[in-house]
Amino acid sequence: AQRVTQPEKLLSVFKGAPVELKCNYSYSGSPELFWYVQYSRQRLQLLLRHISRESIKGFTADLNKGETSFHLKKPFAQEEDSAMYYCALFRRGSQGNLIFGKGTKLSVKP
Amino acid sequence: ETGVTQSPTHLIKTRGQQVTLRCSSQSGHNTVSWYQQALGQGPQFIFQYYREEENGRGNFPPRFSGLQFPNYSSELNVNALELDDSALYLCASSLAGDNEQFFGPGTRLTVL
Repeated sequence: AQRVTQPEKLLSVFKGAPVELKCNYSYSGSPELFWYVQYSRQRLQLLLRHISRESIKGFTADLNKGETSFHLKKPFAQEEDSAMYYCALFRRGSQGNLIFGKGTKLSVKP
Repeated sequence: ETGVTQSPTHLIKTRGQQVTLRCSSQSGHNTVSWYQQALGQGPQFIFQYYREEENGRGNFPPRFSGLQFPNYSSELNVNALELDDSALYLCASSLAGDNEQFFGPGTRLTVL
């Protein structure tokens, strides 16, 4: 079955600490993965996608096909990073659409 | 460039009623997808429209239906509302061939 798992509902870190948001996926085929972020009272927006290999707002994510993971990392968390983070897998084919994890709420304390 | 817009922002209905939600896609985008996000969950795919036809459907019953218009805007219709239909309904637009989707702010539906 195609599935995205985000094992942590809530992750709390102090400002300046490293942060890693975990994402594991199940997909037969070559996956395309995304991280979306939702700040308070704002819409869901794309943070990064693995094929672009960009670093956005200091966040990076590497696709590990062996471990079927796409963890989101940032070396030094900022208070403005506090938000809901969703990992998503694009399911190809006639039903091309995103499969989302349940999300992780990141709280960065001062 | 105009982003994805949705209307209304909030809606309250009673069980058994019908509801229509609306979405205008981002300028230049020809594909619209609808998602349901229940409280504490990630968005779940309902269906997608491309060239005014349903192009894919998730695990939702037929009482969830939609339309896409020539200007690429879209409607989501839900008949015979149930309490479990209470959720945030998200619309996302994209360009055919590009898997990046751009989301609207959502419509919060409450079914009493």
